[in-house]
Amino acid sequence: EIVLTQSPATLSLSPGERATLSCRASQSVSTNLAYLAWFQQKPGQAPRLLIYDTSDRATGIPARFSGSLSGTDFTLTISTLEPEDFAVYYCQLRIIWPPTWTFGQGTKVEIK
Amino acid sequence: EVQVVESGGGLVQPGGSLRVSCAASGFIVTRNYMSWVRQAPGKGLEWVSTIFSDGGTYYADSMRGRFTISGDNSKSTLFLQMDSLRVDDTAVYYCTFPGGSDAFDFWGQGTLVTVSS
Repeated sequence: EIVLTQSPATLSLSPGERATLSCRASQSVSTNLAYLAWFQQKPGQAPRLLIYDTSDRATGIPARFSGSLSGTDFTLTISTLEPEDFAVYYCQLRIIWPPTWTFGQGTKVEIK
Repeated sequence: EVQVVESGGGLVQPGGSLRVSCAASGFIVTRNYMSWVRQAPGKGLEWVSTIFSDGGTYYADSMRGRFTISGDNSKSTLFLQMDSLRVDDTAVYYCTFPGGSDAFDFWGQGTLVTVSS
């Protein structure tokens, strides 16, 4: 079973700053057999898909959100934080076979 | 506009059963799969189960044998039958469908299931 570990647990930043969120898989995953997504969730709301297939932005997601992979480390970068970006972010790994989906424990981006 | 609406949540005693439902409207494209995700109060997201358009069903380990997913992909309706419920099954249960990304694009607002005596 692959475990996703997100870091840091909390990120305290100011609007206008750059946010870098990490999601590490417990073992190496082939991008042909697994897909990583990122979600944003605000209090009292359902999650919203931001990034899929590691680096593709979902429909309507601003260009300030980007995703990347280096080894077993997936990264979500928010280039310039807007006030509406303060929320909790989750990474999610989809394994093609057998079909399973795993979420990280979340990173809270809070206003400093 | 896509709308996804869950229903059927409520209070149930430990060991009891509950069936939650989900209906999607606003789009007619056949979905490759449909899923349930849950979130315990103050906790993170947890995948529960997925049903594919070929009828294949898959479950997280802690739900297998207790939960049963069913649905009609062409009608965009989804159900989750939950038996032998435990206190730690208390959560908001979300229904989610893929869109053009083939990921969890569309979500409902969730339905709260509370397992307590």
